[in-house]
Amino acid sequence: QVQLQESGPGLVKPSETLSLTCSVSGGSISGYYWSWLRQSPGKGLEWIGYIYYGGSTNYNPSLKSRVTISVDASKKYFSLKLSSVTASDTAMYYCVRGNYYDSNAYIVFEDWGQGTLVTVSS
Amino acid sequence: QSVLTQPPSVSGAPGQRVTISCTGSSSNIGSNYYVHWYQQLPGTAPKLLIYSNTKRPSGVPDRFSGSKSGTSASLVISGLQAEDEADYYCQSFDSSLSGPVVFGGGTKLTVL
Repeated sequence: QVQLQESGPGLVKPSETLSLTCSVSGGSISGYYWSWLRQSPGKGLEWIGYIYYGGSTNYNPSLKSRVTISVDASKKYFSLKLSSVTASDTAMYYCVRGNYYDSNAYIVFEDWGQGTLVTVSS
Repeated sequence: QSVLTQPPSVSGAPGQRVTISCTGSSSNIGSNYYVHWYQQLPGTAPKLLIYSNTKRPSGVPDRFSGSKSGTSASLVISGLQAEDEADYYCQSFDSSLSGPVVFGGGTKLTVL
């Protein structure tokens, strides 16, 4: 069973860049869509973006200008950078393994990390 | 607001059956894109519950079932148990500028 573990600062100052890393263990990084999702306190789930193991990316249009997701397949980890953060970026951030099923199902988020809380505050 | 619409809350007594709806539009569910459901128990990460409208991952009890019709999908929980109290989210593909991955706002299930 694949396991995912997020790591990174729990506190980020406004206007700075949020940086998180997700380590992948117990499974292959090949063939999957490595994703970041977040959940603001008391709110629903929001997809941030994904990177295919080969390097292609797709981002939420509402965050696209500020997001970069990268992957290091040899070291089995992927990363999130979110620039120019504000208080509205305060959230629990989850790294997730997505699996593409077909053109109708698109991507299913099969395995989730436990999440890491990031607070944006000075 | 979310692209997919879910009721904020539903409730039911133990043993009862509850239904959670997920309403979309012609750019997502109505275009035959499948719906996936996630269960988020209090204080934990979401977990895949139903995928491709009706399929259950290994280990998910058959008390949980999904269906889709037109621009809507439903999650049905039969034989409600106390441990089913959680938040439930639907997810689909959206071909508009909102996509490609969209979620419902979530439904809080309370077991009375």
